[in-house]
Amino acid sequence: QKEVEQNSGPLSVPEGAIASLNCTYSDRGSQSFFWYRQYSGKSPELIMSIYSNGDKEDGRFTAQLNKASQYVSLLIRDSQPSDSATYLCAVRPSGGSYIPTFGRGTSLIVHP
Amino acid sequence: GAGVSQSPSNKVTEKGKDVELRCDPISGHTALYWYRQSLGQGLEFLIYFQGNSAPDKSGLPSDRFSAERTGGSVSTLTIQRTQQEDSAVYLCASSLTSGASDEQYFGPGTRLTVT
Repeated sequence: QKEVEQNSGPLSVPEGAIASLNCTYSDRGSQSFFWYRQYSGKSPELIMSIYSNGDKEDGRFTAQLNKASQYVSLLIRDSQPSDSATYLCAVRPSGGSYIPTFGRGTSLIVHP
Repeated sequence: GAGVSQSPSNKVTEKGKDVELRCDPISGHTALYWYRQSLGQGLEFLIYFQGNSAPDKSGLPSDRFSAERTGGSVSTLTIQRTQQEDSAVYLCASSLTSGASDEQYFGPGTRLTVT
């Protein structure tokens, strides 16, 4: 059973701080990793993808991947109240039909 | 460009009725996925299509659920003899192909309520 684990939270951070969201996965051969943001009552929205070890930056967002530790994280710099949402980690497996496995998500609250 | 669209956005139906949910993927995307999300729960994979074929139907909860895709584009998810436990948001996603690195883009979802 391929699993993706996330702390459900909520993670509460003050406005302007760095929010750090973490995800671990069980399939060691996984190649593709995705972060989605889901506002309450809305569908998931792709934030970014990462495929190689290291950091990938896109605006205020940085994804970090460590395949040896089977760990992927998302950092949100200068957090804003509008960043308050649930963040889903998704991992495409190494073989088979490549159906992504989604974590249950971490709820982030950014308070003014 | 246009994203993934789904219709209807909301559907209320009586227990025992059949419902059809529609998904129109991003133009040119060959892979299409159906998920459902119950209140406060994670995403549950139902079925995916590559073109018009459904290589993986492993997530369909029962034989009351079926799906088809025609012309490599629009897909319909049909739930027969709906039950209250079918109440959920049904999400459709598409990706350029079903390859390992392809990004999925979600539609707005259909909220199904079975009374």
